[in-house]
Amino acid sequence: DSGVTQTPKHLITATGQRVTLRCSPRSGDLSVYWYQQSLDQGLQFLIQYYNGEERAKGNILERFSAQQFPDLHSELNLSSLELGDSALYFCASSVKGQPLANYGYTFGSGTRLTVV
Amino acid sequence: ELKVEQNPLFLSMQEGKNYTIYCNYSTTSDRLYWYRQDPGKSLESLFVLLSNGAVKQEGRLMASLDTKARLSTLHITAAVHDLSATYFCAANMIKAAGNKLTFGGGTRVLVKP
Repeated sequence: DSGVTQTPKHLITATGQRVTLRCSPRSGDLSVYWYQQSLDQGLQFLIQYYNGEERAKGNILERFSAQQFPDLHSELNLSSLELGDSALYFCASSVKGQPLANYGYTFGSGTRLTVV
Repeated sequence: ELKVEQNPLFLSMQEGKNYTIYCNYSTTSDRLYWYRQDPGKSLESLFVLLSNGAVKQEGRLMASLDTKARLSTLHITAAVHDLSATYFCAANMIKAAGNKLTFGGGTRVLVKP
């Protein structure tokens, strides 16, 4: 157990629907990163939050949004889902806004999203 | 924009032999990471390389970093079946907002008896 908790582990939903993925960072970590892993795109950075504020944005679609709450857990909202959104979504955390020199990120076990 | 490329994309290994995975990155980065991922599983941190000439070893894996060449290598010594996995390298851009990690495409390693 890495200490980063993601729920749910699996999600199957229909096109056009909306889902919410949840991430609880490792205790003491202030920064949360979301990544999408698909077969054709590899690991793509979506967005980062640090202590409740958005810090960096990557290739995140306008249909996707995220937030980090006062208790530091984060949610990734995916709406108007398309077949191509099927992927593994990983959350990672680190203590500071920057990857720690000796540890980098700690990844959660991921949420596998299947859009049918 | 930082780009990270790995090669090869797939490596079929024979047990007992040595192999190397290469990771090139396009712009100056202040640290380089190696991760391992088993099928359907999360990413496990293997090494963090912080400076030019850095070398780290754990068991049969050894990683090195040449910042001048913008190249990192992951060397596998006397491959064993347990090393079958996908290996990713990742780098971050110096002073970029948030210091997000950019990942290479991964090298899928299959060790055959």
